[in-house]
Amino acid sequence: QKEVEQDPGPLSVPEGAIVSLNCTYSNSAFQYFMWYRQYSRKGPELLMYTYSSGNKEDGRFTAQVDKSSKYISLFIRDSQPSDSATYLCAVSGGSYIPTFGRGTSLIVHP
Amino acid sequence: ETGVTQTPRHLVMGMTNKKSLKCEQHLGHNAMYWYKQSAKKPLELMFVYSLEERVENNSVPSRFSPECPNSSHLFLHLHTLQPEDSALYLCASSQTPTGIYGYTFGSGTRLTVV
Repeated sequence: QKEVEQDPGPLSVPEGAIVSLNCTYSNSAFQYFMWYRQYSRKGPELLMYTYSSGNKEDGRFTAQVDKSSKYISLFIRDSQPSDSATYLCAVSGGSYIPTFGRGTSLIVHP
Repeated sequence: ETGVTQTPRHLVMGMTNKKSLKCEQHLGHNAMYWYKQSAKKPLELMFVYSLEERVENNSVPSRFSPECPNSSHLFLHLHTLQPEDSALYLCASSQTPTGIYGYTFGSGTRLTVV
């Protein structure tokens, strides 16, 4: 079993939709959870960072962690064409390097 | 300049060539990394440097040779590469070696081995 599973997509949605991006992980020791956004021909940029369980909101973005299910989510409200990118989740136990998912390609069409 | 800067942006090299990738960070971070990104695969960690000392080497072939002369600069020396080494090579930096507070990535070098 891979440490982090992420559906590569592509996920195609109309502008204004609520987007849900998800990852599952296998190691219950992971406590740090990150979402990165990567535009075409660019490096990933840190979007959201959360520690332990719960929700974290930043504008139109909400990161959610369910440690009991080993499931993390990123929600995007009122999606825009500029949100079209690949979204990578990353998880870490704190004493070792984060493990990344494969990334989900998101396309928001006008 | 701010952030993490990588040069060159694109590189095409033959299997017998020797080339180097350069990375520079202006963030005052203590750790720097090389990652390989191939299509539809997770980011693969190659090397980690903390305060100019290599702390991790993820079983990377010897045809890849890193160098970290100071905490702001990182190089990846390439020689006798294979076509399967074609990928996007990303440099990153972070405040701590474990990167738990997140990385700052450069834009990458798109490498094509012919």
